[in-house]
Amino acid sequence: AQSVTQLGSHVSVSEGALVLLRCNYSSSVPPYLFWYVQYPNQGLQLLLKYTSAATLVKGINGFEAEFKKSETSFHLTKPSAHMSDAAEYFCAVEKNQAGTALIFGKGTTLSVSS
Amino acid sequence: GAVVSQHPSWVICKSGTSVKIECRSLDFQATTMFWYRQFPKQSLMLMATSNEGSKATYEQGVEKDKFLINHASLTLSTLTVTSAHPEDSSFYICSASDRFGPNEQFFGPGTRLTVL
Repeated sequence: AQSVTQLGSHVSVSEGALVLLRCNYSSSVPPYLFWYVQYPNQGLQLLLKYTSAATLVKGINGFEAEFKKSETSFHLTKPSAHMSDAAEYFCAVEKNQAGTALIFGKGTTLSVSS
Repeated sequence: GAVVSQHPSWVICKSGTSVKIECRSLDFQATTMFWYRQFPKQSLMLMATSNEGSKATYEQGVEKDKFLINHASLTLSTLTVTSAHPEDSSFYICSASDRFGPNEQFFGPGTRLTVL
């Protein structure tokens, strides 16, 4: 069964610092992987997705993630954090292939201090 | 971009009553819609998958008689929480897949249900 594990439930960085949110996946087939951001009391916004094309995926708001099969990882990074990046971030994998439901990690809360 | 709306955005009801939550795809046809539940400070848990015109597929542990899902058209799915109890209080989020698009789900803004 597909699953994702997010390492670190809470990450704190200073404004301008590197953001690194970790996600490892478990999948019996080539996975489709996603990163979503959620602001308080709102739905989810897609940051980026990996669908077996380029291993380095660029998303919105300056975020990117690299798919590393050897490490079964899909970590999310941003070179310079901004205050507005403070939110909850979820890594997700498709339950099965071909546009099916998502299985979410437990989420990582990103705090950004000035 | 593809937009999914939910109505209501929040609802408070008394224990024992039923509540209906609507999920609409506003500018695309959604062959499949998903319903998730999110407890405070926790992740989203898939409740069920609904395909237009057919019965929903529920995840293990989700009571189908309590959480009634109807996907009557390509733009509307409804979740009815029957005989709601305080433990049903949660944030319910729907998502929809574009039948012609790549693998991507578009999420609604969520509905906060509080059962007193």
